[in-house]
Amino acid sequence: SQQGEEDPQALSIQEGENATMNCSYKTSINNLQWYRQNSGRGLVHLILIRSNEREKHSGRLRVTLDTSKKSSSLLITASRAADTASYFCATGANSGYSTLTFGKGTMLLVSP
Amino acid sequence: NAGVTQTPKFRVLKTGQSMTLLCAQDMNHEYMYWYRQDPGMGLRLIHYSVGEGTTAKGEVPDGYNVSRLKKQNFLLGLESAAPSQTSVYFCASSYERGLDTEAFFGQGTRLTVV
Repeated sequence: SQQGEEDPQALSIQEGENATMNCSYKTSINNLQWYRQNSGRGLVHLILIRSNEREKHSGRLRVTLDTSKKSSSLLITASRAADTASYFCATGANSGYSTLTFGKGTMLLVSP
Repeated sequence: NAGVTQTPKFRVLKTGQSMTLLCAQDMNHEYMYWYRQDPGMGLRLIHYSVGEGTTAKGEVPDGYNVSRLKKQNFLLGLESAAPSQTSVYFCASSYERGLDTEAFFGQGTRLTVV
């Protein structure tokens, strides 16, 4: 069973706009990661946020984590056409397989 | 630095045929994983390995076998392919357990079973 669920399933914006994707999960986690997948390619790690962190930045990416609400958000500022991809949140917990569990992803389309 | 390499990239199998997918990583990672990705289902863990000579079942292991005879290689086998195994398969590796560190993914193997 999948731990994280991204919302929305699809998002379409114009270049220069900000894109916000959300991830909700069900059980307590050690950390949460975000990955990007370009069409037909493998996943690429973007950022990892630990359960004791509330916010983390990496370039144009900002990730927040609210463990009380069991949710995370990924904000991409000043989007570019090259940001067009699917974005996945992945969670890890000590129970289960001790590996990452991925959500179904948000498909982001950034139009020039 | 190649990272994670999957072989082959594409394959068409007939129902009942067998095949082996090869994953090779050159980062000296202990942990390796096989996922399958289906439309609308996200990524699901098939099998994983926490070190050379070890394997463990994931969420959807039925119909698959794996081996990790060498640290750098993780093989996924389909003994008798079924149409339900049509999917894109991704191999990944990580230095520490996947909960605590980033995973590096291969480019995927697109498998069609007819």
